[in-house]
Amino acid sequence: QKEVEQDPGPLSVPEGAIVSLNCTYSNSAFQYFMWYRQYSRKGPELLMYTYSSGNKEDGRFTAQVDKSSKYISLFIRDSQPSDSATYLCAMSGDDKIIFGKGTRLHILP
Amino acid sequence: DAMVIQNPRYQVTQFGKPVTLSCSQTLNHNVMYWYQQKSSQAPKLLFHYYDKDFNNEADTPDNFQSRRPNTSFCFLDIRSPGLGDAAMYLCATSRGRTRGYWEQFFGPGTRLTVL
Repeated sequence: QKEVEQDPGPLSVPEGAIVSLNCTYSNSAFQYFMWYRQYSRKGPELLMYTYSSGNKEDGRFTAQVDKSSKYISLFIRDSQPSDSATYLCAMSGDDKIIFGKGTRLHILP
Repeated sequence: DAMVIQNPRYQVTQFGKPVTLSCSQTLNHNVMYWYQQKSSQAPKLLFHYYDKDFNNEADTPDNFQSRRPNTSFCFLDIRSPGLGDAAMYLCATSRGRTRGYWEQFFGPGTRLTVL
């Protein structure tokens, strides 16, 4: 079993829809959980991070961590075409980050 | 704007011909990372520097070397590129190794093609 599993998609949704992106992981030592966004031909950029379990909201984005299930989610409300990108989940328990493969998201106008 | 800069953005080399990729940062961060990202794959950490302290990942091939002459610059040397080394190479920085390391700032990447 890989440390971090993420469905690569692609996921296509109409503009304005709520998007749900998910990852599962196997290492119970992970404490920091991040979502990075990567536009085509660009490097990833940190979107949100959460420490331990719980929810965190930032504008249209909500990150959820359920450590008991080893499951993390990112919700995007009122999705926009500019949200079209690859979303990489990432997590860490020490000084290194383990990334998921990323989910390609297309928001259809 | 403070940023991470990678040069060149696209690099074409021949099988076995050494190549050097460059990264510079204006963030004054202590930690610099090199990742390899193949198509539809997760970024894979090759090594990182905490200041001048070099940390190699156990599964990074010997073919890959790195240099960090000062805080701002870091280089990735591929001594004898093979076809399997064709990938996007991402440079990233973070403020520290124990605090804030989860927030990494990435450059735009260098896409390496091996002919």
